[in-house]
Amino acid sequence: GENVEQHPSTLSVQEGDSAVIKCTYSDSASNYFPWYKQELGKGPQLIIDIRSNVGEKKDQRIAVTLNKTAKHFSLHITETQPEDSAVYFCAASPAYNQGGKLIFGQGTELSVKP
Amino acid sequence: GAVVSQHPSWVICKSGTSVKIECRSLDFQATTMFWYRQFPKQSLMLMATSNEGSKATYEQGVEKDKFLINHASLTLSTLTVTSAHPEDSSFYICSASPTGTTSTNEQFFGPGTRLTVL
Repeated sequence: GENVEQHPSTLSVQEGDSAVIKCTYSDSASNYFPWYKQELGKGPQLIIDIRSNVGEKKDQRIAVTLNKTAKHFSLHITETQPEDSAVYFCAASPAYNQGGKLIFGQGTELSVKP
Repeated sequence: GAVVSQHPSWVICKSGTSVKIECRSLDFQATTMFWYRQFPKQSLMLMATSNEGSKATYEQGVEKDKFLINHASLTLSTLTVTSAHPEDSSFYICSASPTGTTSTNEQFFGPGTRLTVL
């Protein structure tokens, strides 16, 4: 089955700097790759997603890139702010006939220092 | 849009009792809902997939008789932890996929329920 690896597990940046989180997946048939932000004691919030027919997607300070050949995708946050501090999870979704499951990475704890 | 609620947000119960957690999609219909469990500083672990009008599909290692799931309508799924024990203490999170999006696999998450079993 699908396996998702996420790095780094912790990331500390200075306010205003960029942050990059990387994930690799194993199932070449996976076709949907969302990123979630989870604040302490809350549920994950979808912040951006990308599908396998697209190489890059951007939404204001957040962007995601996908390399299908290498089977990896990355989250890029520019001009980081203290409120970006949270745990970020990547996920991959195997082909739809597996019921729409999401397989999650291990998470990255991002700390943005003022 | 795409709001999912959970109730209760936290619950404390005695060992041996049962606890029911509700998951509702507030502004969309969801044929499929998912239940996850999350331990501190760990990732989300999928417990089961809940489909409206049919039996839930449980992941390997999850006891279906202990974690009863009912998806009686397109906006409501419930998880009942039966005969709860301290090791069942965890953060339980549900998610919902809007009807018609199964092939695109979008999931929107609820705020989670913190269960503590004494």
